[in-house]
Amino acid sequence: QSVLTQPPSVSAAPGQKVTISCSGSSSNIGNNYVSWYQQLPGTAPKLLIYDNNRRPSGIPDRFSGSKSGTSATLGITGLQTGDEADYYCGTWDSSLSAVVFGGGTKLTVL
Amino acid sequence: EVQLVESGGVVVQPGGSLRLSCAASGFTFDDYAMHWVRQAPGKGLEWVSLISWDGGRTYCADSVKGRFTISRDNSKNSLFLQMNSLRAEDTALYYCVKAHGGTRGMDYWGQGTLVTVSS
Repeated sequence: QSVLTQPPSVSAAPGQKVTISCSGSSSNIGNNYVSWYQQLPGTAPKLLIYDNNRRPSGIPDRFSGSKSGTSATLGITGLQTGDEADYYCGTWDSSLSAVVFGGGTKLTVL
Repeated sequence: EVQLVESGGVVVQPGGSLRLSCAASGFTFDDYAMHWVRQAPGKGLEWVSLISWDGGRTYCADSVKGRFTISRDNSKNSLFLQMNSLRAEDTALYYCVKAHGGTRGMDYWGQGTLVTVSS
C-alpha cells in the first residue's frame, strides 16, 4: 500500500486531455514539493515535473503540474500514442523522513 | 551529458550480501545528493535510500533499515549501496538517481542493475 494514492489507470483518445491525481497528507504533499515521473515501457523513469509545477528543459508544455492542499495533479494535453506510459508522483514525507511514491498510473491512449 | 552507470547486480542467495556501485559523470558529483530507487518486476517505484552531497546525512526506507547502507566516494564520483541479509522481496532493478534540489525531485536516472535473491 503506497503512501500516495494514484488511480491505477486512465485512458483518453489521441489529442484529448487527461489528468492524473495524487493524494497524500499534510506530512508529505501538504508541506513538500511534488514531482512527477514518466516511465515508458522497458525504460528508466524520467522527470516530468518538479517543484509541483516546473518542467525540466526539454519537457513539452503539454505536461503540467499543480498542487492544492494535500493533493497534486498531472495534466497532459494533446495526447499522443507515445505518451502511453506509467506515471508516478513522488514527494518527501517529513514524518517518515523518507521519499514516498504513488503506486503509479498506467496511461492508455486509445 | 549526465551519465549514471550502475553495476554489481547478480543472483544471490537469501541471507547473502551484495554491494552495488554507481559511476557518475557529466556533472559536479559532490554538489548533489543521490538516491537509490528500486523496482520489483512488474511493480511500481520504491525509494530505498538518500545520501547528502557530503555523505554526512543518510536516510533509508523502513523496509531496508538496518540491512542496507548507502555511501559515496566523491573523489571517485561514485555511489554505493551495501546490501546485507538479503531477502526474496529485495529482488528488483536498482536505479542510481541524481537528486534535484535535495528532496525536490530526481532529475537523472541510470538504467538500473538487477538484483535477484533466490536459492
